[in-house]
Amino acid sequence: DVKVTQSSRYLVKRTGEKVFLECVQDMDHENMFWYRQDPGLGLRLIYFSYDVKMKEKGDIPEGYSVSREKKERFSLILESASTNQTSMYLCASSSTRDYPWRYFGPGTRLTVT
Amino acid sequence: GENVEQHPSTLSVQEGDSAVIKCTYSDSASNYFPWYKQELGKRPQLIIDIRSNVGEKKDQRIAVTLNKTAKHFSLHITETQPEDSAVYFCAASKKGFSGGYNKLIFGAGTRLAVHP
Repeated sequence: DVKVTQSSRYLVKRTGEKVFLECVQDMDHENMFWYRQDPGLGLRLIYFSYDVKMKEKGDIPEGYSVSREKKERFSLILESASTNQTSMYLCASSSTRDYPWRYFGPGTRLTVT
Repeated sequence: GENVEQHPSTLSVQEGDSAVIKCTYSDSASNYFPWYKQELGKRPQLIIDIRSNVGEKKDQRIAVTLNKTAKHFSLHITETQPEDSAVYFCAASKKGFSGGYNKLIFGAGTRLAVHP
């Protein structure tokens, strides 16, 4: 059974703080993703990584960066948090060998005040 | 690029009724269409998927239909139960190359409420 975990379920940060969200998967998946979920907007892709140290911008990368130093771990970084980054953040992983099923983590609800 | 539109955004039904959620996609090369269910406070989970070489797929009370000509696909839930209440997301993808990343485009979601 695939397990994707995220470092925090809830996080409250102040405007301007640097924020790290971490995601770990245990299925040796090549691909990892960070999505942002907002009501009425569905799941929007922020960044993805298809290999260690490789990353690609998704649909809404502005204000975010990512890091993938190890295959199982994918970090989302908010360099200077802003109130419009208050949202639910979902990490996901998938295998290149399979259909593009997404295995999601439990999500981190980030509030920036 | 691919765009997926999902309707309705909210759906309210009585227990035992059927529920239908519809999605349209723009890229005719899309060939894989999964549906995810997200219960309140939980992660999205795959509930059913369909590939472009079939027109319909069933799994107990849920079914998905695909019309490639019209570029739309639908989720059908029969005999709805309160535990079907959730947000449902459709998605579309192209899989046709070995290796690499298969982009998955999600619809905006449908909030289904099943009332006892």
